[in-house]
Amino acid sequence: AQSVAQPEDQVNVAEGNPLTVKCTYSVSGNPYLFWYVQYPNRGLQFLLKYITGDNLVKGSYGFEAEFNKSQTSFHLKKPSALVSDSALYFCAVRPTVNYGQNFVFGPGTRLSVLP
Amino acid sequence: GAGVSQSPSNKVTEKGKDVELRCDPISGHTALYWYRQSLGQGLEFLIYFQGNSAPDKSGLPSDRFSAERTGGSVSTLTIQRTQQEDSAVYLCASSPMTSGGETQYFGPGTRLLVL
Repeated sequence: AQSVAQPEDQVNVAEGNPLTVKCTYSVSGNPYLFWYVQYPNRGLQFLLKYITGDNLVKGSYGFEAEFNKSQTSFHLKKPSALVSDSALYFCAVRPTVNYGQNFVFGPGTRLSVLP
Repeated sequence: GAGVSQSPSNKVTEKGKDVELRCDPISGHTALYWYRQSLGQGLEFLIYFQGNSAPDKSGLPSDRFSAERTGGSVSTLTIQRTQQEDSAVYLCASSPMTSGGETQYFGPGTRLLVL
C-alpha cells in the first residue's frame, strides 16, 4: 500500500533562515509527488510537483523540492523563510502505474516562521 | 476563471440528522475528489470520481456516507444519521484527469459541526 510520512509535526524557523519540511513515501513504481500548503481557514493550495525529469522542482512563493529516488524522499525547501510562510504543509503521492488510484496525503507539518 | 466552490461553508446540525454537502468543480475537470480533514489532522480520502467510470468509494468510513456526481459535474456528499465524530472540514478537489500527474484544485471546504 502506498503511504506518505512527514516525520515532523512542527517545524520552527527564524525569518530569513533556510527551511526544510521533510517528506518520505512508499509507493509501487515511480510516483508523482506534490506539495500543498494550507493557510488558516483556507483550502489547500498547490505549491509544486514532480512528474519526471529534473529532480529539483521549483514552485510557487520561492519554494523548491528535490526528488531523491534512492531515499524515497521529496523534501520541501526554501532558502530564506518569511513569516507569511507560516502554514500547514502537506506532501502527497500518486503512483504512475495504475494512476486510477487516488492521492495519498501525508499528515501535514505545521511550519512556524518566527520574526 | 472560477475555482472549485463548496456549499455551505459552514453547517451545524444535530446528531442523527442527515446533511448534504455540495461541490462545484472547475468546468471541464473530469476528476473529482472528496476528503475529510479533522481538526489539526491530515486529509482522509473519501471518494473519487473519474469521468463516467465507477467511483472509487474505498475511503468512505461507513455506509452512512454516500456521494454522487450528476452529469459529470456537480457532486453531493451525503451523510446520514450524523454522529459527533463526523464533525470535520470536508474538502472537495477537482483535476483535469488525463495522465495522472495533474494538480488537484481544492475548494474552501465545508466545516461541519454535529452537536
